[in-house]
Amino acid sequence: DAGVTQSPTHLIKTRGQQVTLRCSPKSGHDTVSWYQQALGQGPQFIFQYYEEEERQRGNFPDRFSGHQFPNYSSELNVNALLLGDSALYLCASSRRGQTNTEAFFGQGTRLTVV
Amino acid sequence: GEDVEQSLFLSVREGDSSVINCTYTDSSSTYLYWYKQEPGAGLQLLTYIFSNMDMKQDQRLTVLLNKKDKHLSLRIADTQTGDSAIYFCAESDQAGTALIFGKGTTLSVSS
Repeated sequence: DAGVTQSPTHLIKTRGQQVTLRCSPKSGHDTVSWYQQALGQGPQFIFQYYEEEERQRGNFPDRFSGHQFPNYSSELNVNALLLGDSALYLCASSRRGQTNTEAFFGQGTRLTVV
Repeated sequence: GEDVEQSLFLSVREGDSSVINCTYTDSSSTYLYWYKQEPGAGLQLLTYIFSNMDMKQDQRLTVLLNKKDKHLSLRIADTQTGDSAIYFCAESDQAGTALIFGKGTTLSVSS
């Protein structure tokens, strides 16, 4: 079992550009949550997807959007990138109805905005 | 709203015990969690405690929960250099969906 896989591992973008990050959940999991971890901070919840719909959203602007595919994989899109969007983006997968005790995190995508 | 506070740094010698402290605000959180993050890596769930428990022991790890004071601690016995990492305390939000993390405690273990 490959666990939660995220791609790419690193990328560099320019202010104003758009970026797409990808997450494949652990086998058997159908729910994907995204978190943003700025340098020196704890992760902050962006949103969660289940059954291809956004189910809950944290305090992030509309520039942050997502998608979940029928195979449960997910994408995080960020438009009009700002320098402050530079962070480690973490994906966590779980099975609907389970608590976070059963959630697994990926290794993250390190986004640098210049 | 929910908030989690942690001390930022802890330095110990190899073989000593480490105690990392955390305070949280949401008393409705069913579980409270401790995560470990090594350099360049994602988050690893170390342990968690159910809110109606006072203590949980798992090998070298002991979690203590004081619900009255909303205080959580993680004790690592016989700390090793491989325990050097950032440790995050977390609670669930009121919906039980999102994790609310502290800023993390950097544990440095010297030999």
